[in-house]
Amino acid sequence: DSGVTQTPKHLITATGQRVTLRCSPRSGDLSVYWYQQSLDQGLQFLIQYYNGEERAKGNILERFSAQQFPDLHSELNLSSLELGDSALYFCASSVEGATDSGNTIYFGEGSWLTVV
Amino acid sequence: LAKTTQPISMDSYEGQEVNITCSHNNIATNDYITWYQQFPSQGPRFIIQGYKTKVTNEVASLFIPADRKSSTLSLPRVSLSDTAVYYCLVGDGNYGQNFVFGPGTRLSVLP
Repeated sequence: DSGVTQTPKHLITATGQRVTLRCSPRSGDLSVYWYQQSLDQGLQFLIQYYNGEERAKGNILERFSAQQFPDLHSELNLSSLELGDSALYFCASSVEGATDSGNTIYFGEGSWLTVV
Repeated sequence: LAKTTQPISMDSYEGQEVNITCSHNNIATNDYITWYQQFPSQGPRFIIQGYKTKVTNEVASLFIPADRKSSTLSLPRVSLSDTAVYYCLVGDGNYGQNFVFGPGTRLSVLP
């Protein structure tokens, strides 16, 4: 158990709909990352937040948005869903700024999104 | 952000030692080298991290030469359950660092 909690574990929705994925980072971790992994595809970095602020943005579509709340949990909002958005969405967290030992990120178990 | 290059796939047999090499020619002074393992439909899992020379833990060893332009993950006596994708990441984990995973190395352990 990495300590990163994601909900829901599975979600089936229709095209055009909007969903919200939730992530609780490990206790003490200030940084949250979101990744998308389609079937047999690599991990696509979407976005990173650090202590409530957006830190880095990757290949995140305009239909997707995220935020990190004061209690450090994060939500990934996916709207106007398309069939191609079906994927496993991972959240990860890290301490960030641990210069004396690098920085390791810890992944949750993911949220399976199926768009039909 | 240091770019990494790994073999796309490797095959091995049970009980053998597997070495996966990652090239990172433009590694920066403050960068650490971290390896992750991912099983199908699961989140990547931290395996080992190092800065220089050799690091060993209960599951793997990491060899880093003096110039740090490459690193080798060594898995002793692999089993079928070690079949997974292995990712090499290089970075300092500080402000502005984002963790972009490459395609990784798909290791298949055969009986």
